[in-house]
Amino acid sequence: SYVLTQPPSVSVAPGKTARITCGGNNIGSKSVHWYQQKPGQAPILVVYDDSDRAPGIPERFSGSNSDNTATLTISRVEAGDEADYYCQVWDTTIDHVGVFGPGTKVTVL
Amino acid sequence: VMLVESGGGLVQPGGSVRLSCVGSGFTVNTNYMTWVRQAPGKGLEWVSTIYDADITKYADSVKGRFTISRHSSNNTLFLQMNNLRPDDTAVYYCTRGMYIGRFQNWGQGTLLTVSS
Repeated sequence: SYVLTQPPSVSVAPGKTARITCGGNNIGSKSVHWYQQKPGQAPILVVYDDSDRAPGIPERFSGSNSDNTATLTISRVEAGDEADYYCQVWDTTIDHVGVFGPGTKVTVL
Repeated sequence: VMLVESGGGLVQPGGSVRLSCVGSGFTVNTNYMTWVRQAPGKGLEWVSTIYDADITKYADSVKGRFTISRHSSNNTLFLQMNNLRPDDTAVYYCTRGMYIGRFQNWGQGTLLTVSS
């Protein structure tokens, strides 16, 4: 089965840039989606198809995907960005299945 | 677009339960509908998707025990869960997408606890 890897945590000072990586075998050939989940809330889609922002998501959020790593970048980080972030792909290698990364906790210092 | 789940609660191991998700602002039958779960303190886990002419896909962990379905008359998605185990304890989210594999809208979730 397809496996995604993420760092457990990322810490960043307000106003700085946070980069969250998502590793997978040849992930550059897949469409990667990113979700933000704040405590006690349902996840929301922030970036889809590698780099497109979902409606209502600030331009500070951007994504990229190449080779074996996809990256979610949060520029000019704000306190309200503190949350868990999950990458996700739809894997069609053998069957059609959804795959989530383990999640990254972003802490704003 | 709104999704509202119901049907969670406390069930004994080996028991059954059916979760429901009522959609509004879109048509359940013409979208990619998915259940995603999250065990307490854990990450997100894809459970099942239904799409096109009711093609269904399942995670290995639930295959043979869970059945996803949808009903057009009341615009509702279902998840029939049989032979439940303690590790099925989780918040179950209903999601909707206009493209396969993209979970665009999420409900608020319903908590299922499997315990004796």
